Order: sequence, then C-alpha cells, then structure tokens
Amino acid sequence: AQKITQTQPGMFVQEKEAVTLDCTYDTSDPSYGLFWYKQPSSGEMIFLIYQGSYDQQNATEGRYSLNFQKARKSANLVISASQLGDSAMYFCAMRLNRDDKIIFGKGTRLHILP
Amino acid sequence: KAGVTQTPRYLIKTRGQQVTLSCSPISGHRSVSWYQQTPGQGLQFLFEYFSETQRNKGNFPGRFSGRQFSNSRSEMNVSTLELGDSALYLCASSLAGDGKNIQYFGAGTRLSVL
Repeated sequence: AQKITQTQPGMFVQEKEAVTLDCTYDTSDPSYGLFWYKQPSSGEMIFLIYQGSYDQQNATEGRYSLNFQKARKSANLVISASQLGDSAMYFCAMRLNRDDKIIFGKGTRLHILP
Repeated sequence: KAGVTQTPRYLIKTRGQQVTLSCSPISGHRSVSWYQQTPGQGLQFLFEYFSETQRNKGNFPGRFSGRQFSNSRSEMNVSTLELGDSALYLCASSLAGDGKNIQYFGAGTRLSVL
C-alpha cells in the first residue's frame, strides 16, 4: 500500500538558516508525482512544489527546492534563507498516476525563530 | 485568476443535523476533491469529482456525499452529523489531464458539531 512518512513532527530553526523537511514515500508504481504544501494557521493549503517520478532534475521554486532521491524513495523539501513567515505546517503528498489518488503525510510543524 | 472559494468559512451544527458545503474551483479546472482534516487523523481524502462524475472515493461512510455541477462547482453533504465530524473540510481543484494534476486548495470550511 502507498504511504507517506514525515518523521519530524516539529522543528525549530533560526531565521535566515536553511531548513530541510524530510519525506519518504512507499510505492511500487513507477509513475507518480510528489508534492509539498504549506498550511499556515489560517488553514489554507498552499501548493509549494512538484516533482514527477520521471523528472531528471530536482524541482526548484524560488526559495524552495525538492531533494529527490528516487532510489531511497525520499523527497525532502529544502527551504533556503528561512523567514518568519515560513512558520507553518508542511505536508508532503504523493499521487499515483494510474488512479490519481493523493495521499498526504502527517505533516511537520516548522517554527522559525527570530 | 480567482482561487478556490469555499463557503461558508465557519459552521456550527448540532448532532443529527445535516450540512452542505460549497466549493467553487479555479476557472477552467474540472476536477474537484474534498478532504477532511482533524488533529487526530490528519488529512483524509473524501472523494473526487471530474466532469460531474465521482472518480475516486475515500473510506468514509455513506453519510458523506457530494456532487458536481456542469460549471464544475461542487457541494459536499454530511447527513446525521456526529460529534466526530467536527473538522476542517478542504476543497481542492485541479486542471487534470496535464500530467501533474496539481491540486489547489481553498481556505476550508471549519465545521463544529455540538
């Protein structure tokens, strides 16, 4: 069965430092997509970044990059130069292309300290 | 382009009542998915609609139902409310068919069942 694991329930990081949020996934399907979302306290889920299983390059979107290690089945999110506004819950998700179902991890709560 | 709009933002109901939540997707998006988010269970997939047809379904009882209209707007209905139905209900829309199927979320409806 497909599964997403985020092992860090909470993290505290000093402002301006880089932060890595861990995500491992489990699937035997060869074709899938990986996503990261940010959920501030307001509740809205904000899409951050996408990585396809066949993409050769790691995805980047501004200060966000996805460290995709296919053999290890990991898709860690890296936030460079963290800001106070990055404090939020972060979710890793996976979608299997054969049925379009999406599953989410339990999330990591990130606290940026001034 | 307007984002995903969910109404109402907050709802208070009592046990046994029923409730209808509404979701207007991003213009041009034909797929709408619904999720329930609780502190204990995390983010759980309810169902997905595409072109007025339910395409995927999660593991929720029949009290949870939905529909999609020809303009892609979607409604979710919960009948015979239980205390455990108190949650944040999130709606997401996606373009579908673009290979990525990135889901964009609304701000959610926070339902409290008393």
